[in-house]
Amino acid sequence: EVQLVESGGGLVKPGGSLRLSCVASGFTFSTYNMNWVRQAPGTGLEWVSSISSISRSIYYADSVKGRFTISRDNAKNSLYLQMNSLRAEDTAVYYCARLWFGELGDAFDIWGQGTMVTVSS
Amino acid sequence: DIQLTQSPSFLSASVGDRVTITCRASQGISSYLAWYQQKLGKAPKLLIYAASTLQGGVPSRFSGSGSGTEFTLKISSLQPEDFATYYCQQLDSYPYTFGQGTKLEIK
Repeated sequence: EVQLVESGGGLVKPGGSLRLSCVASGFTFSTYNMNWVRQAPGTGLEWVSSISSISRSIYYADSVKGRFTISRDNAKNSLYLQMNSLRAEDTAVYYCARLWFGELGDAFDIWGQGTMVTVSS
Repeated sequence: DIQLTQSPSFLSASVGDRVTITCRASQGISSYLAWYQQKLGKAPKLLIYAASTLQGGVPSRFSGSGSGTEFTLKISSLQPEDFATYYCQQLDSYPYTFGQGTKLEIK
């Protein structure tokens, strides 16, 4: 079964750090670009960051640039998001998602179940 | 950055109704648009990619169209399981922005 499972969420104080993980199974992880998407409570989806299959290309949303770092370990089928200098507005469910390059177009075709990050004193 | 504006933000409809959701891009994105369905407490699910191509396993009552800056998602005959929030997403260029969502509720 193709699956993504996130972990590492929790409660952290403003200014603190947290590292999220996403473990992939059921597909050849090393051949896919991967992404983090977040959703603050009661709001819509916000793309956070992308990393190419061999980590050559990395992109961030302006809202997290300089504070978050995306990385991956293809040997461990794992994607990571290191989050530093956390703010209250970073409170959200964080999803990892696979970027699929279809013949006609691209999309995020596989999503994890999400992990909740709460930034509060 | 490319902005996506969905309309309406809320939609009330009945089982069996035909509904249309629109997504407008702030600049042309060719057909690099996807639609997702999200139910409460669940991860989004891919419905349509490349503006009009149905993802495998998605019922044929869902359809997408458009290119450039204007796109539509249509549901031909609403089923109880279709009441959810729908998002469009552009994959033309980073940042890969999402629309603000359309919440489809039972009338």
